Amino acid sequence: ETGVTQSPTHLIKTRGQQVTLRCSSQSGHNTVSWYQQALGQGPQFIFQYYREEENGRGNFPPRFSGLQFPNYSSELNVNALELDDSALYLCASSSPNRDRVSGPQYFGPGTRLTVL
Amino acid sequence: KNQVEQSPQSLIILEGKNCTLQCNYTVSPFSNLRWYKQDTGRGPVSLTIMTFSENTKSNGRYTATLDADTKQSSLHITASQLSDSASYICVVSGRGGSQGNLIFGKGTKLSVKP
Repeated sequence: ETGVTQSPTHLIKTRGQQVTLRCSSQSGHNTVSWYQQALGQGPQFIFQYYREEENGRGNFPPRFSGLQFPNYSSELNVNALELDDSALYLCASSSPNRDRVSGPQYFGPGTRLTVL
Repeated sequence: KNQVEQSPQSLIILEGKNCTLQCNYTVSPFSNLRWYKQDTGRGPVSLTIMTFSENTKSNGRYTATLDADTKQSSLHITASQLSDSASYICVVSGRGGSQGNLIFGKGTKLSVKP
């Protein structure tokens, strides 16, 4: 176990709906990253939050948004869901080292989102 | 274009045998390379992380190598066990500190049969 938790574990939504996924980072980690992993593919970077500010974003549309709280937990919000949003959503926490390069990332178990 | 290519795409071996997974990358500038193990439907778990100055690192039966000149890495699994069945993902990090610099391979799906 990595100490990173995600909720819910599974979720079924219909096209056009909105969804909020939650992540609690490992103790002492101030950086949270979100990834989308389609079946049979590697994770794709959505965005990262460092001390409550967005610190990098991948190639995802604005309907993917996020938030980080003072306790470093985080939310991923997706509006206007599309069928292609069906995937495993992974959250990872880390803590940058003195060179501001992130150390090992600790992944949560993921949330499986199905859009019908 | 920054890319991470893994081979083979899938692999079936018998329990107790050794195997080697390959990772080639074109990420530049390079910061570090990580190998993760991912069980089906679960989050990836870190096995090793190597910077450009390290050319080998072990974690139990897992040994990773890195050749920063040829931009190649391998993950060697010794005396495989049924529990080694999983996807193994190679991840390369560019410099800059942002997670946006993490480039993921598509993984190698390993099946260990009794």
